Amino acid sequence: AQSVTQLDSHVSVSEGTPVLLRCNYSSSYSPSLFWYVQHPNKGLQLLLKYTSAATLVKGINGFEAEFKKSETSFHLTKPSAHMSDAAEYFCVVSAYDNYGQNFVFGPGTRLSVLP
Amino acid sequence: IAGITQAPTSQILAAGRRMTLRCTQDMRHNAMYWYRQDLGLGLRLIHYSNTAGTTGKGEVPDGYSVSRANTDDFPLTLASAVPSQTSVYFCASSDSRGARAGRPGELFFGEGSRLTVL
Repeated sequence: AQSVTQLDSHVSVSEGTPVLLRCNYSSSYSPSLFWYVQHPNKGLQLLLKYTSAATLVKGINGFEAEFKKSETSFHLTKPSAHMSDAAEYFCVVSAYDNYGQNFVFGPGTRLSVLP
Repeated sequence: IAGITQAPTSQILAAGRRMTLRCTQDMRHNAMYWYRQDLGLGLRLIHYSNTAGTTGKGEVPDGYSVSRANTDDFPLTLASAVPSQTSVYFCASSDSRGARAGRPGELFFGEGSRLTVL
């Protein structure tokens, strides 16, 4: 069984300050982990993914995330927030089991960026 | 480059009516998925298909059915809509053929179908 916890339902930062969106996961298998972003009234877009290679993963738009197995965490960071980063962010855990590859989504964190 | 196309983008439906949400992909992905998105609950899997001709139930399958007659199309049908099915529905696909060997695919999403059942 797999599950994802996103510790903050809403994060608010000022433009130009760092972003930290927290994610913890639980998985019975060796997981793959993803972060997706959703802008209002849009579909979800992949930001980055971890697939058992380097534990520090760089994604699009300056985002990165670090896989920490001992802490079962995959927090998303960005050094300097931009107004266009305001969106909903989803952490996703995935594994391959007898039914194929499955994806479990966290509840999401809404990021607000203040001018 | 289309990716995944969903239709309709928005629909208001009377309770008890039948409704089919259409989903087509042009990436030749083997796996396709239907999710519903509700505030505070993230995305929940309704049904999935790992390959043409096979389907499986997700977390919230009741009241929904799917078919996968070919690789590209994966329609979702509500046989008799109820107000609790008011939601935004997302179709997604992935190439999961390498997942068993440690090369998982990623999900590609359509733009969503907003359904309101009155």
